Amino acid sequence: AQSVAQPEDQVNVAEGNPLTVKCTYSVSGNPYLFWYVQYPNRGLQFLLKYITGDNLVKGSYGFEAEFNKSQTSFHLKKPSALVSDSALYFCAVRGGSGNNNDMRFGAGTRLTVKP
Amino acid sequence: NAGVTQTPKFQVLKTGQSMTLQCAQDMNHNSMYWYRQDPGMGLRLIYYSASEGTTDKGEVPNGYNVSRLNKREFSLRLESAAPSQTSVYFCATTGVYQPQHFGDGTRLSIL
Repeated sequence: AQSVAQPEDQVNVAEGNPLTVKCTYSVSGNPYLFWYVQYPNRGLQFLLKYITGDNLVKGSYGFEAEFNKSQTSFHLKKPSALVSDSALYFCAVRGGSGNNNDMRFGAGTRLTVKP
Repeated sequence: NAGVTQTPKFQVLKTGQSMTLQCAQDMNHNSMYWYRQDPGMGLRLIYYSASEGTTDKGEVPNGYNVSRLNKREFSLRLESAAPSQTSVYFCATTGVYQPQHFGDGTRLSIL
Protein backbone atom coordinates (compact mmCIF):
# COMPACT_ATOMS: atom_id res chain seq x y z
CA ALA A 1 0.00 0.00 0.00
CA GLN A 2 1.08 3.54 -0.65
CA SER A 3 2.19 5.91 2.08
CA VAL A 4 3.44 9.44 2.34
CA ALA A 5 5.46 11.18 5.02
CA GLN A 6 5.76 14.90 5.54
CA PRO A 7 8.41 15.09 8.25
CA GLU A 8 7.78 18.72 9.22
CA ASP A 9 4.53 19.85 10.81
CA GLN A 10 5.55 23.46 10.41
CA VAL A 11 7.90 25.41 8.15
CA ASN A 12 8.69 29.06 8.75
CA VAL A 13 10.47 31.25 6.22
CA ALA A 14 10.97 34.95 5.67
CA GLU A 15 9.39 36.61 2.69
CA GLY A 16 11.75 36.63 -0.27
CA ASN A 17 13.69 33.58 0.92
CA PRO A 18 13.50 30.21 -0.80
CA LEU A 19 11.20 27.62 0.71
CA THR A 20 11.18 23.83 0.76
CA VAL A 21 8.42 21.57 2.02
CA LYS A 22 9.54 17.98 2.28
CA CYS A 23 7.77 14.81 1.21
CA THR A 24 8.87 11.19 1.02
CA TYR A 25 6.79 8.34 -0.28
CA SER A 26 6.49 4.59 -0.45
CA VAL A 27 4.68 2.90 -3.32
CA SER A 28 4.70 -0.28 -5.36
CA GLY A 29 5.53 0.39 -8.96
CA ASN A 30 5.75 3.81 -10.52
CA PRO A 31 4.46 6.62 -8.33
CA TYR A 32 2.00 9.32 -9.26
CA LEU A 33 2.81 12.25 -6.98
CA PHE A 34 0.82 15.38 -6.22
CA TRP A 35 1.04 18.53 -4.17
CA TYR A 36 -2.06 20.34 -2.95
CA VAL A 37 -2.50 23.56 -1.00
CA GLN A 38 -5.28 24.36 1.44
CA TYR A 39 -6.26 27.84 2.54
CA PRO A 40 -8.45 28.40 5.62
CA ASN A 41 -12.00 27.12 5.28
CA ARG A 42 -11.37 25.89 1.74
CA GLY A 43 -10.87 22.58 0.04
CA LEU A 44 -7.56 21.35 -1.29
CA GLN A 45 -6.34 22.96 -4.48
CA PHE A 46 -4.07 21.20 -6.93
CA LEU A 47 -0.57 22.68 -7.33
CA LEU A 48 1.39 20.23 -9.43
CA LYS A 49 1.90 16.59 -10.26
CA TYR A 50 4.57 14.14 -11.36
CA ILE A 51 3.53 11.27 -13.55
CA THR A 52 6.55 10.70 -15.75
CA GLY A 53 9.21 12.67 -17.58
CA ASP A 54 11.38 15.47 -16.21
CA ASN A 55 12.22 15.18 -12.55
CA LEU A 56 11.62 18.90 -12.02
CA VAL A 57 7.95 19.70 -12.26
CA LYS A 58 6.62 23.24 -12.44
CA GLY A 59 3.20 24.13 -11.11
CA SER A 60 0.91 26.95 -10.11
CA TYR A 61 1.92 30.15 -8.30
CA GLY A 62 5.64 29.69 -9.01
CA PHE A 63 5.94 26.39 -7.15
CA GLU A 64 8.00 23.51 -8.39
CA ALA A 65 8.85 20.06 -7.10
CA GLU A 66 11.75 17.72 -7.65
CA PHE A 67 11.16 14.01 -8.02
CA ASN A 68 14.05 11.93 -6.70
CA LYS A 69 13.53 8.24 -7.27
CA SER A 70 16.60 7.07 -5.35
CA GLN A 71 15.59 9.02 -2.26
CA THR A 72 11.85 8.42 -2.82
CA SER A 73 11.26 12.11 -2.31
CA PHE A 74 9.13 14.78 -3.92
CA HIS A 75 9.99 18.06 -2.19
CA LEU A 76 8.03 21.21 -2.96
CA LYS A 77 10.08 24.33 -3.60
CA LYS A 78 9.74 27.99 -4.43
CA PRO A 79 12.68 30.34 -5.08
CA SER A 80 11.16 33.37 -3.34
CA ALA A 81 8.38 33.00 -0.78
CA LEU A 82 5.43 35.36 -0.49
CA VAL A 83 3.34 36.07 2.59
CA SER A 84 0.35 34.88 0.58
CA ASP A 85 1.97 31.43 0.29
CA SER A 86 1.16 30.83 3.94
CA ALA A 87 -1.15 27.81 3.98
CA LEU A 88 -1.35 24.09 4.65
CA TYR A 89 0.41 21.91 2.08
CA PHE A 90 -0.32 18.27 1.38
CA CYS A 91 1.72 15.75 -0.54
CA ALA A 92 -0.15 12.77 -2.01
CA VAL A 93 0.84 9.58 -3.78
CA ARG A 94 -1.06 7.20 -5.95
CA GLY A 95 0.14 3.79 -7.07
CA GLY A 96 0.76 2.68 -10.59
CA SER A 97 -2.72 1.27 -10.98
CA GLY A 98 -4.00 4.77 -11.57
CA ASN A 99 -6.91 4.18 -9.25
CA ASN A 100 -7.74 7.22 -7.20
CA ASN A 101 -8.96 5.01 -4.41
CA ASP A 102 -5.29 4.24 -3.85
CA MET A 103 -4.47 7.89 -3.19
CA ARG A 104 -2.77 8.52 0.13
CA PHE A 105 -2.22 11.95 1.64
CA GLY A 106 0.46 13.12 4.01
CA ALA A 107 -0.47 14.71 7.31
CA GLY A 108 0.23 18.18 5.96
CA THR A 109 2.83 20.87 6.56
CA ARG A 110 1.84 24.34 7.67
CA LEU A 111 3.90 26.96 5.88
CA THR A 112 4.18 30.38 7.45
CA VAL A 113 5.89 33.16 5.51
CA LYS A 114 6.73 36.18 7.63
CA PRO A 115 7.13 39.69 6.22
CA ASN B 1 -17.63 29.22 -11.14
CA ALA B 2 -18.64 25.70 -10.45
CA GLY B 3 -16.80 22.50 -9.71
CA VAL B 4 -17.74 20.65 -6.53
CA THR B 5 -20.46 21.96 -4.23
CA GLN B 6 -20.99 20.65 -0.71
CA THR B 7 -23.92 21.31 1.60
CA PRO B 8 -24.23 22.19 4.38
CA LYS B 9 -21.04 24.10 5.19
CA PHE B 10 -21.47 23.71 8.95
CA GLN B 11 -23.52 21.40 11.12
CA VAL B 12 -23.79 20.60 14.81
CA LEU B 13 -25.40 17.32 15.82
CA LYS B 14 -26.14 15.51 19.02
CA THR B 15 -24.85 11.99 19.57
CA GLY B 16 -27.20 9.51 17.94
CA GLN B 17 -28.70 11.90 15.43
CA SER B 18 -28.53 11.20 11.73
CA MET B 19 -27.76 13.43 8.80
CA THR B 20 -26.77 13.40 5.16
CA LEU B 21 -23.98 15.43 3.61
CA GLN B 22 -24.60 16.38 0.03
CA CYS B 23 -22.11 16.72 -2.81
CA ALA B 24 -22.70 17.71 -6.40
CA GLN B 25 -20.24 18.19 -9.26
CA ASP B 26 -20.67 19.70 -12.67
CA MET B 27 -17.35 18.55 -14.12
CA ASN B 28 -18.83 15.47 -15.79
CA HIS B 29 -16.40 13.21 -13.93
CA ASN B 30 -17.17 9.59 -13.27
CA SER B 31 -15.29 9.22 -9.99
CA MET B 32 -16.34 10.82 -6.71
CA TYR B 33 -14.91 10.53 -3.21
CA TRP B 34 -15.63 11.32 0.40
CA TYR B 35 -12.75 12.13 2.75
CA ARG B 36 -12.50 13.22 6.33
CA GLN B 37 -9.79 15.57 7.52
CA ASP B 38 -8.56 15.47 11.09
CA PRO B 39 -5.67 17.47 12.57
CA GLY B 40 -2.32 15.77 12.08
CA MET B 41 -3.81 12.97 10.00
CA GLY B 42 -4.23 14.44 6.57
CA LEU B 43 -7.16 13.19 4.52
CA ARG B 44 -8.55 9.70 4.87
CA LEU B 45 -10.83 8.12 2.32
CA ILE B 46 -14.23 7.07 3.62
CA TYR B 47 -16.00 5.88 0.48
CA TYR B 48 -15.62 6.36 -3.22
CA SER B 49 -17.66 5.81 -6.35
CA ALA B 50 -15.84 4.94 -9.56
CA SER B 51 -18.96 5.47 -11.64
CA GLU B 52 -22.69 5.96 -11.36
CA GLY B 53 -24.25 2.99 -9.65
CA THR B 54 -21.09 1.76 -7.90
CA THR B 55 -19.66 2.50 -4.47
CA ASP B 56 -16.75 1.03 -2.50
CA LYS B 57 -15.26 1.35 0.94
CA GLY B 58 -12.13 3.33 1.60
CA GLU B 59 -9.84 3.39 4.62
CA VAL B 60 -12.38 4.45 7.26
CA PRO B 61 -15.92 3.44 6.22
CA ASN B 62 -17.32 2.37 9.59
CA GLY B 63 -20.30 4.45 10.70
CA TYR B 64 -20.99 5.84 7.24
CA ASN B 65 -23.08 5.00 4.21
CA VAL B 66 -23.09 6.54 0.75
CA SER B 67 -25.38 6.89 -2.23
CA ARG B 68 -24.36 7.72 -5.77
CA LEU B 69 -27.67 9.21 -6.83
CA ASN B 70 -26.61 9.99 -10.39
CA LYS B 71 -23.44 11.08 -12.15
CA ARG B 72 -23.51 14.49 -10.48
CA GLU B 73 -24.42 13.65 -6.90
CA PHE B 74 -22.76 11.60 -4.17
CA SER B 75 -24.11 11.76 -0.63
CA LEU B 76 -22.63 10.65 2.68
CA ARG B 77 -24.91 9.57 5.52
CA LEU B 78 -24.23 9.25 9.22
CA GLU B 79 -26.96 7.00 10.61
CA SER B 80 -26.12 7.47 14.28
CA ALA B 81 -23.58 10.19 14.83
CA ALA B 82 -20.77 9.71 17.36
CA PRO B 83 -18.33 12.29 18.78
CA SER B 84 -15.49 10.48 16.97
CA GLN B 85 -17.08 11.58 13.72
CA THR B 86 -16.46 15.23 14.48
CA SER B 87 -14.36 16.27 11.52
CA VAL B 88 -14.21 18.23 8.31
CA TYR B 89 -15.64 16.26 5.41
CA PHE B 90 -14.53 16.81 1.84
CA CYS B 91 -16.03 15.60 -1.37
CA ALA B 92 -13.79 15.28 -4.43
CA THR B 93 -14.08 14.29 -8.03
CA THR B 94 -11.60 13.39 -10.75
CA GLY B 95 -11.01 12.05 -14.20
CA VAL B 96 -8.63 9.20 -15.00
CA TYR B 97 -4.99 9.96 -14.05
CA GLN B 98 -6.01 13.49 -13.17
CA PRO B 99 -5.69 15.42 -9.90
CA GLN B 100 -8.70 15.62 -7.69
CA HIS B 101 -11.00 18.61 -7.42
CA PHE B 102 -12.31 19.27 -3.94
CA GLY B 103 -15.32 21.01 -2.50
CA ASP B 104 -14.90 23.50 0.34
CA GLY B 105 -15.92 21.01 2.99
CA THR B 106 -18.57 20.44 5.63
CA ARG B 107 -17.52 21.18 9.19
CA LEU B 108 -19.35 18.74 11.42
CA SER B 109 -19.39 18.80 15.20
CA ILE B 110 -21.04 16.06 17.22
CA LEU B 111 -21.76 16.76 20.85
